[in-house]
Amino acid sequence: AQSVTQLDSQVPVFEEAPVELRCNYSSSVSVYLFWYVQYPNQGLQLLLKYLSGSTLVKGINGFEAEFNKSQTSFHLRKPSVHISDTAEYFCAVSGSFGNEKLTFGTGTRLTIIP
Amino acid sequence: GAGVSQSPSNKVTEKGKDVELRCDPISGHTALYWYRQSLGQGLEFLIYFQGNSAPDKSGLPSDRFSAERTGGSVSTLTIQRTQQEDSAVYLCASSLGDRTNYGYTFGSGTRLTVV
Repeated sequence: AQSVTQLDSQVPVFEEAPVELRCNYSSSVSVYLFWYVQYPNQGLQLLLKYLSGSTLVKGINGFEAEFNKSQTSFHLRKPSVHISDTAEYFCAVSGSFGNEKLTFGTGTRLTIIP
Repeated sequence: GAGVSQSPSNKVTEKGKDVELRCDPISGHTALYWYRQSLGQGLEFLIYFQGNSAPDKSGLPSDRFSAERTGGSVSTLTIQRTQQEDSAVYLCASSLGDRTNYGYTFGSGTRLTVV
């Protein structure tokens, strides 16, 4: 089984500043890793995913994440945030085999301060 | 359809009543998942359907919860004798296959309030 820890429940950031949202996972098998974003009153939308290959993954809206196997981390970063990035961000993990399901973290609420 | 459709979007029910929540997945998606999102608790897995296989019900919190998927398409999540702790947003997602590498497409959810 896998688990995900998002240590920061809330992150306030000034507009145009960089941001990093932390995600650590635990698994005894090889994994797939995902970041989802949830805008107010909407469902979750896939931001990016790591399946294999390059450890630096680029997603939509200028976000990127880096898979670090030794530190079991998959932190999400953006060099300059915008007001429209205000949302809740969820990290998720699954095993890389069939009949798996995603296990989600508790989420990080990103608030952009004008 | 173009996306995952859930109905109703909001449901207020009295404690002890039964409720049914509906999910219409993307056409052709063989995998369907139900999650529950409670304040400050992230997404809690409830149940997973894949094709014609027996569903993975390991996340259902009690025997008051059940789900079915008819014809490999529409799914209904039923909560019997609702309790106040059942209040949450219930999210449905679908995926192309049994491997998570495709990612999930989520619906907008049903907000359930038990009063």
